[in-house]
Amino acid sequence: AQSVTQLGSHVSVSEGALVLLRCNYSSSVPPYLFWYVQYPNQGLQLLLKYTSAATLVKGINGFEAEFKKSETSFHLTKPSAHMSDAAEYFCAVSETGYQKVTFGTGTKLQVIP
Amino acid sequence: EADIYQTPRYLVIGTGKKITLECSQTMGHDKMYWYQQDPGMELHLIHYSYGVNSTEKGDLSSESTVSRIRTEHFPLTLESARPSHTSQYLCASSEYEESYTFGSGTRLTVV
Repeated sequence: AQSVTQLGSHVSVSEGALVLLRCNYSSSVPPYLFWYVQYPNQGLQLLLKYTSAATLVKGINGFEAEFKKSETSFHLTKPSAHMSDAAEYFCAVSETGYQKVTFGTGTKLQVIP
Repeated sequence: EADIYQTPRYLVIGTGKKITLECSQTMGHDKMYWYQQDPGMELHLIHYSYGVNSTEKGDLSSESTVSRIRTEHFPLTLESARPSHTSQYLCASSEYEESYTFGSGTRLTVV
């Protein structure tokens, strides 16, 4: 069975500081991994996805994530936080060919001026 | 420009009323999904469809029903709303087993 664990339901960073949002997954087969962002009163928007190609994946808005099989991790990073990055971020996993996606509980990112 | 549309965005309704949440997409995706989202909780899959006339219940037990008569349309119906149904409902679609496109959601309050 597939599952996702996001460490930290709330993360605060200063504007200009590094953003690091943690995600660990469990999957019995090679996974597809995703990060989504949700702004207030909106649906989820895809930030980036890993589908067994390059282990370092670049997404929109300057975010990137690295797939580390040995650590079963897919952490999301951004070198310099902007105020507009304040939102909730969801990690998700789909087992190859399974066709259903399991989402984590989300991490709310606060950016302090 | 949104490719998947949910209406209404907000709905306050009395207990016992029948309601239908609408979801339409213009991308021609075969796969569509309904998720329930509550604060601090993971998104729960309540219904999904892999094509016309195909519907399945998801991982979370739900008293709602869905239909898929047309590829682009995937409405969700609650026959008798209860306060426990108060939540945000998100509709999504996908082409393959990869990334989903989400609608903006319907925030339902049952009083």
